[in-house]
Amino acid sequence: GENVEQHPSTLSVQEGDSAVIKCTYSDSASNYFPWYKQELGKGPQLIIDIRSNVGEKKDQRIAVTLNKTAKHFSLHITETQPEDSAVYFCAPRGSARQLTFGSGTQLTVLP
Amino acid sequence: NAGVTQTPKFRVLKTGQSMTLLCAQDMNHEYMYWYRQDPGMGLRLIHYSVGEGTTAKGEVPDGYNVSRLKKQNFLLGLESAAPSQTSVYFCASGQFSEAFFGQGTRLTVV
Repeated sequence: GENVEQHPSTLSVQEGDSAVIKCTYSDSASNYFPWYKQELGKGPQLIIDIRSNVGEKKDQRIAVTLNKTAKHFSLHITETQPEDSAVYFCAPRGSARQLTFGSGTQLTVLP
Repeated sequence: NAGVTQTPKFRVLKTGQSMTLLCAQDMNHEYMYWYRQDPGMGLRLIHYSVGEGTTAKGEVPDGYNVSRLKKQNFLLGLESAAPSQTSVYFCASGQFSEAFFGQGTRLTVV
């Protein structure tokens, strides 16, 4: 299956600053690259995704960038707000039937 | 549209007891998954299914069994619960892109 590494495991930023989380994967056949947000007491929910024919996608304050050559993609959050505090997971999809998640990043936005 | 529904939401079991967690989805998805999430840890895949009547082992399958008799339902069974199975269990469904998660089942084994 897919070997997925996510860094950092914890990230604290001041409100208004930017946050970047990186996900590295092993399957060169991966073609779908999503990021999920998990709020306390809830299941993860998709916040943004990108497919292999696109290098970058933006949705208001969040963006995802993809580097297929280096096999990594990143989540960028600008102008962070307290409601951005959550755990974020990547879950690249390729040829494997299993759905493997990164180990998660606990983002804390400090007021 | 209900999406993915898990029952029960909370359960306390005694060591050695058995129970079944139910996951139901109304999106006609072929793929369904069961994960466990322990404090400070990520989502570990227990078992998954790629269609009605199929099941496969994930990363941490020991102590669990599953069944997918109907396309919309994916059942997770604990035959003889152990304290190490205390966790939050999440079910998810999807095709080849977005996965949709249930709200989770918090299970405590005492």
